[in-house]
Amino acid sequence: DAGVIQSPRHEVTEMGQEVTLRCKPISGHDYLFWYRQTMMRGLELLIYFNNNVPIDDSGMPEDRFSAKMPNASFSTLKIQPSEPRDSAVYFCASSPPYPHPGWGYEQYFGPGTRLTVT
Amino acid sequence: AQSVTQLDSQVPVFEEAPVELRCNYSSSVSVYLFWYVQYPNQGLQLLLKYLSGSTLVKGINGFEAEFNKSQTSFHLRKPSVHISDTAEYFCAVSFSGGSNYKLTFGKGTLLTVNP
Repeated sequence: DAGVIQSPRHEVTEMGQEVTLRCKPISGHDYLFWYRQTMMRGLELLIYFNNNVPIDDSGMPEDRFSAKMPNASFSTLKIQPSEPRDSAVYFCASSPPYPHPGWGYEQYFGPGTRLTVT
Repeated sequence: AQSVTQLDSQVPVFEEAPVELRCNYSSSVSVYLFWYVQYPNQGLQLLLKYLSGSTLVKGINGFEAEFNKSQTSFHLRKPSVHISDTAEYFCAVSFSGGSNYKLTFGKGTLLTVNP
């Protein structure tokens, strides 16, 4: 399996522009998570989906952020308009269906998208 | 609510020395426990996990961790580290048997192995 795939790996944009981050989970996984990692705040869960349905979006910082999962193999995280404080590494992770033999809710992470907003 | 505390933000050690990275958790229900490793410019990779059974769990790259319920700890150890073990290590916890599929992560410990 190719693992969780994220694109782009790096994104540099100007303040006010729209940014779209993409994620392809591991095939067969039905949970998908979006995280943001910064030096100041560490790793933060933004939102997660189960079977393409958003379950908990309490971590989404504000209305400028939105996430969608139109099908089991694709999700997007959009920031519109972007601001310099959105600069961070954004990770996508996925998990298999529960119950799953030998699984305890661990998640499998993608390589991340490093976003820089100038 | 559950929480995870990693007591050391940075741990410098010399190559071939032993290392212990400390993790304590707080939860009123049974938990599953995990250690993840993040190499520079990469995503998080699962190192090992405790679900049940033996309190000593072994993971990849020679790491092991011991679950101590009375002390609510899950410390990570390696008897002899290599330069390549330089990375950030995250402890994480989830509820066992519940419908909450979120992981709660600690703030991470940066392990630096010096020659």
